[in-house]
Amino acid sequence: AQSVAQPEDQVNVAEGNPLTVKCTYSVSGNPYLFWYVQYPNRGLQFLLKYITGDNLVKGSYGFEAEFNKSQTSFHLKKPSALVSDSALYFCAVRDASSGSARQLTFGSGTQLTVLP
Amino acid sequence: GAVVSQHPSRVICKSGTSVKIECRSLDFQATTMFWYRQFPKQSLMLMATSNEGSKATYEQGVEKDKFLINHASLTLSTLTVTSAHPEDSSFYICSAQPRGTPTDTQYFGPGTRLTVL
Repeated sequence: AQSVAQPEDQVNVAEGNPLTVKCTYSVSGNPYLFWYVQYPNRGLQFLLKYITGDNLVKGSYGFEAEFNKSQTSFHLKKPSALVSDSALYFCAVRDASSGSARQLTFGSGTQLTVLP
Repeated sequence: GAVVSQHPSRVICKSGTSVKIECRSLDFQATTMFWYRQFPKQSLMLMATSNEGSKATYEQGVEKDKFLINHASLTLSTLTVTSAHPEDSSFYICSAQPRGTPTDTQYFGPGTRLTVL
């Protein structure tokens, strides 16, 4: 079985400071990893994904994430946070061998608040 | 491109009535559509997967007679919550996988807030 853990329900950061939203995963095979953002009463928006290749993945709105196989982590980062980054962030994983997006497992979400 | 819409965005109904939610891919054909349910401050839980022209595949614990899914065309899937009760109140989100894309590609709709009184 695969799983995703987002250990922090809430992350607060001051505007202009770097931010990190943590994610660890567990799959039996190789992972496909995703980050999504959700604004209030809205669906999920895709930020970035790791499939293979470079461990540092760059995505939308200046976000990036680093795949660390030894630590089974895929933390989301941004060098300088904006107030508009305040939202709910979801990490998701699926086993590369599963062959279907149906097998995507979402984390519990982390509420990011960027303080002006 | 790759826009998914849902209608309605918000619905309030009385207990015992049925509610239909539409999910449309506006600028692409979707081989597969997914329906998720999200409780406040919780993650998305996959309810079912629908493929155009075939029966939906429901996840364990989801009542197929309660949550009817129809995927009549490559751009439209509907979720009908039959005989809704207050415990069905939730945020329902659909996503669509474009035809001919890798299976990890899916685009999400804006969600539908269902409140059953």
